Amino acid sequence: GAVVSQHPSRVICKSGTSVKIECRSLDFQATTMFWYRQFPKQSLMLMATSNEGSKATYEQGVEKDKFLINHASLTLSTLTVTSAHPEDSSFYICSAWGDGNTEAFFGQGTRLTVV
Amino acid sequence: DAKTTQPTSMDCAEGRAANLPCNHSTISGNEYVYWYRQIHSQGPQYIIHGLKNNETNEMASLIITEDRKSSTLILPHATLRDTAVYYCIVIGNEKLTFGTGTRLTIIP
Repeated sequence: GAVVSQHPSRVICKSGTSVKIECRSLDFQATTMFWYRQFPKQSLMLMATSNEGSKATYEQGVEKDKFLINHASLTLSTLTVTSAHPEDSSFYICSAWGDGNTEAFFGQGTRLTVV
Repeated sequence: DAKTTQPTSMDCAEGRAANLPCNHSTISGNEYVYWYRQIHSQGPQYIIHGLKNNETNEMASLIITEDRKSSTLILPHATLRDTAVYYCIVIGNEKLTFGTGTRLTIIP
């Protein structure tokens, strides 16, 4: 099946710094990408949906100025957590859907720890 | 997107068939039923999807009721590696919203 690569898999950063997470579709063009956040023992919470070349659509309650999403190409989307705080520590997961795909493919996730 | 309801948890003996139910009573005509699973600390893995006909692939079977208000995912011969959280999702406009899922535990 198609592969979505997410990097880094783990990151520890200091409070107040910014962290960028990359999500790449390796063998298909991802017209739509989704970003999720998952806290321990909870389900995936959709943060935003991004289409290549346009601004991301954020879910209610998700701060667009804090979680910057860029989907500049059909194979790459990035999520930047700006001015990270300990409460931003979570598991972040991306998903990609391309034309001709019948399902969305998920990255392996990024565990962010803010200290 | 239609909301789904699943049992919180289920156990199944190794080697037996695991049947995971899902209710999606508000599903509309153009919405598909998708199943994903998530093994601890990994990204979700696609299992199967369907519109109104029953579907089968190398991983599982999907049985959708005639009125499409519910479905059942069947893992025919469960193994310990099938222990995971299983999510039933209804998708119409390509927006993937996850419910709480069913935590399936395969018992040796």
